Amino acid sequence: LAKTTQPISMDSYEGQEVNITCSHNNIATNDYITWYQQFPSQGPRFIIQGYKTKVTNEVASLFIPADRKSSTLSLPRVSLSDTAVYYCLVGFFSGGYNKLIFGAGTRLAVHP
Amino acid sequence: EPEVTQTPSHQVTQMGQEVILRCVPISNHLYFYWYRQILGQKVEFLVSFYNNEISEKSEIFDDQFSVERPDGSNFTLKIRSTKLEDSAMYFCASNLENEQFFGPGTRLTVL
Repeated sequence: LAKTTQPISMDSYEGQEVNITCSHNNIATNDYITWYQQFPSQGPRFIIQGYKTKVTNEVASLFIPADRKSSTLSLPRVSLSDTAVYYCLVGFFSGGYNKLIFGAGTRLAVHP
Repeated sequence: EPEVTQTPSHQVTQMGQEVILRCVPISNHLYFYWYRQILGQKVEFLVSFYNNEISEKSEIFDDQFSVERPDGSNFTLKIRSTKLEDSAMYFCASNLENEQFFGPGTRLTVL
């Protein structure tokens, strides 16, 4: 699985857009980029997954440049409830088995 | 919305005792996992299970650990003789497609 690097922590305020960038220089051709969110004392929760360009769902957007060596998770208009740890994972996530290897993640704190 | 459930939410045990952590994955899922998270640390993969057998396990998953899917719905993690360092949150997860669904976790405290 490709190694990922993301900021340890970020601070934001309610209503702002938050962008968390993840570096994955050795991403393989078949690898996908997936983001999970974890609230304290809860299990991680899938947010979004993409392969290239831009993916958007009701929660977030994922921007992936052409070289795919990085990706940016964008959370529009965050609220206090978005305070969580965000994990970037890169790997060949097939339609079935996919062991997840988590890094330290980015601890996002949203302030009033 | 279907969800992964885990019981108990909190388990306290004495060192050396056996514990069984229970999970009910989402019913049509085929792939099952256990992860653990020591307080303040990252989520660590323990073991994956498919077609009634272990498909992969990490270095953490030594002979003290075992998994079972006894009845087609429950998925259990057994720790035979708990150690202090086994204290952690244990998460069960399952998936059918790319999105992996995690349970709420069991907090295991070993005294």
